[in-house]
Amino acid sequence: SQQGEEDPQALSIQEGENATMNCSYKTSINNLQWYRQNSGRGLVHLILIRSNEREKHSGRLRVTLDTSKKSSSLLITASRAADTASYFCATVGANSKLTFGKGITLSVRP
Amino acid sequence: DTGVSQDPRHKITKRGQNVTFRCDPISEHNRLYWYRQTLGQGPEFLTYFQNEAQLEKSRLLSDRFSAERPKGSFSTLEIQRTEQGDSAMYLCASSQLQFSGNTIYFGEGSWLTVV
Repeated sequence: SQQGEEDPQALSIQEGENATMNCSYKTSINNLQWYRQNSGRGLVHLILIRSNEREKHSGRLRVTLDTSKKSSSLLITASRAADTASYFCATVGANSKLTFGKGITLSVRP
Repeated sequence: DTGVSQDPRHKITKRGQNVTFRCDPISEHNRLYWYRQTLGQGPEFLTYFQNEAQLEKSRLLSDRFSAERPKGSFSTLEIQRTEQGDSAMYLCASSQLQFSGNTIYFGEGSWLTVV
């Protein structure tokens, strides 16, 4: 079963704009991880945020986590055409395995 | 390259045939995971190992599926008597267990098409 729900399901923006993607989950977590997947390829790890953290940055990426609302957001600033991909949030609980949502399709128009 | 390696990348097989996928995790990673992904969906958990011990199997893993990690290094996923519904991408991932949270790294996946 899939725990996370990403919102929106699809997002189309212009190059240079910021992209914000949201993820909600249902059960308590140890950490939450965001991944990117280009069409037909494997998943690339973007960032991990632990349950006791509220915000993390990595380059143009900013991730927030609100455990009281069971939600996370991924912000990509100054988007590029190369950011076009599917983005997944995945939660890790006590069982140490990832549970994924259905993903968000991001299209960045040049 | 020190990433997770999967082989073959693509496999087309006839219904009823057996197929085997191999995964080589990142060196010294003690955890190894198998996931399955169909078009438009997120990856679904199948099974995972800690060293050579298989710790959990999903209900998705029918009796036709078997996974092994005999020496705690590489792993194989075998599907017997394949069905068209088995067509999917099979993803392998690995991590080093840490109390502070473990980043899980994925391979490029093995595409299976059952005709």
